[in-house]
Amino acid sequence: NAGVTQTPKFQVLKTGQSMTLQCAQDMNHEYMSWYRQDPGMGLRLIHYSVGAGITDQGEVPNGYNVSRSTTEDFPLRLLSAAPSQTSVYFCASSFQGANGYTFGSGTRLTVV
Amino acid sequence: AQTVTQSQPEMSVQEAETVTLSCTYDTSESDYYLFWYKQPPSRQMILVIRQEAYKQQNATENRFSVNFQKAAKSFSLKISDSQLGDAAMYFCAGSRSYNTDKLIFGTGTRLQVFP
Repeated sequence: NAGVTQTPKFQVLKTGQSMTLQCAQDMNHEYMSWYRQDPGMGLRLIHYSVGAGITDQGEVPNGYNVSRSTTEDFPLRLLSAAPSQTSVYFCASSFQGANGYTFGSGTRLTVV
Repeated sequence: AQTVTQSQPEMSVQEAETVTLSCTYDTSESDYYLFWYKQPPSRQMILVIRQEAYKQQNATENRFSVNFQKAAKSFSLKISDSQLGDAAMYFCAGSRSYNTDKLIFGTGTRLQVFP
């Protein structure tokens, strides 16, 4: 099915561990973004990309890295997990943004 | 800078009634897009409706419609004939129109629907 695929759906990490959240889309969308959702704070933009090889920081980029080597994939790396990174993470993609973004099903991450 | 404000953390409505969710979008841009997203308990983000700021006509999608007041920076969502399946978190979001690389969200409104 066409759409945005995020893996894993759930993850528990220990403080200091690193991991990569995977995001792939098969709609040939140029724009991709990562958000984190915390209670009472809505969705906050972490990093975004407007095409392969181009990334930029959003509102809350600290502690996260991204790269965009292909149009389809946009992984999010947690360098050294901290309890403050406990959250639900969403990946989203769009053709040009005007028609809105399509979201993945999210990853619930707990850092202990 | 863009800011999206949703001042109603929670709202409730009786089945078959009408409810309006509020949102304000502050930006220095003259053209932009506005969106309402629904997030049911499944966590999936679902696009409900979109509005282009330069268009005079308010957008409508079945039971969902918006009341866009550009001068007041207001972008409210009206849900008519509310159904139990409308119960969810609703997020307002906006992006500039000439380079829609970033979508900025409000903090959300939780809608409860009572039978």
